[in-house]
Amino acid sequence: DAGVIQSPRHEVTEMGQEVTLRCKPISGHNSLFWYRQTMMRGLELLIYFNNNVPIDDSGMPEDRFSAKMPNASFSTLKIQPSEPRDSAVYFCASTRTGGQPQHFGDGTRLSIL
Amino acid sequence: GENVEQHPSTLSVQEGDSAVIKCTYSDSASNYFPWYKQELGKRPQLIIDIRSNVGEKKDQRIAVTLNKTAKHFSLHITETQPEDSAVYFCAASKTGGFKTIFGAGTRLFVKA
Repeated sequence: DAGVIQSPRHEVTEMGQEVTLRCKPISGHNSLFWYRQTMMRGLELLIYFNNNVPIDDSGMPEDRFSAKMPNASFSTLKIQPSEPRDSAVYFCASTRTGGQPQHFGDGTRLSIL
Repeated sequence: GENVEQHPSTLSVQEGDSAVIKCTYSDSASNYFPWYKQELGKRPQLIIDIRSNVGEKKDQRIAVTLNKTAKHFSLHITETQPEDSAVYFCAASKTGGFKTIFGAGTRLFVKA
């Protein structure tokens, strides 16, 4: 079991640029979650998918954020255009179903200059 | 809406002492309660969990208790060690649901 795989691990870019974060969930897991973590706001749920379908995106802060899950083994979180306040650690997590533990990736540390 | 409250936000103990973190949940249908530990710069990792048909579960120095009536659950760490220093998150979810509701986290400092 390779675990949840996120890329890149670190991203530094200038404001206004497009940022794409990637996630490969654990094989066989049906639900995928994107979180953002900052010191000020803690761990925030941005969006989650079940069987590749977005279920709840109410945590997505603005229209600049979008997420897709084209298949069971891949998801992206995109920020366009990026702003300095988007700087955070973004985690992807997956689980088989409700009532089961979530497995987190190592996160992407995003810095927008 | 669904909510998990976690206290305290910060906890400082002397090495060897016990630490207790408490959480309450709002959704009475919740039946699965995991605890995650996040060390500095790392991902949250599951350390122990409990289901609603069990009142207590223990794994070496850590234990969790659940009071379904009060909708309250707690993490107990005994004989704390400096490597226990981390942020701990409680959470609640339910079978058939999709998402897990996380508490705000407790930053535990264990002083040597």
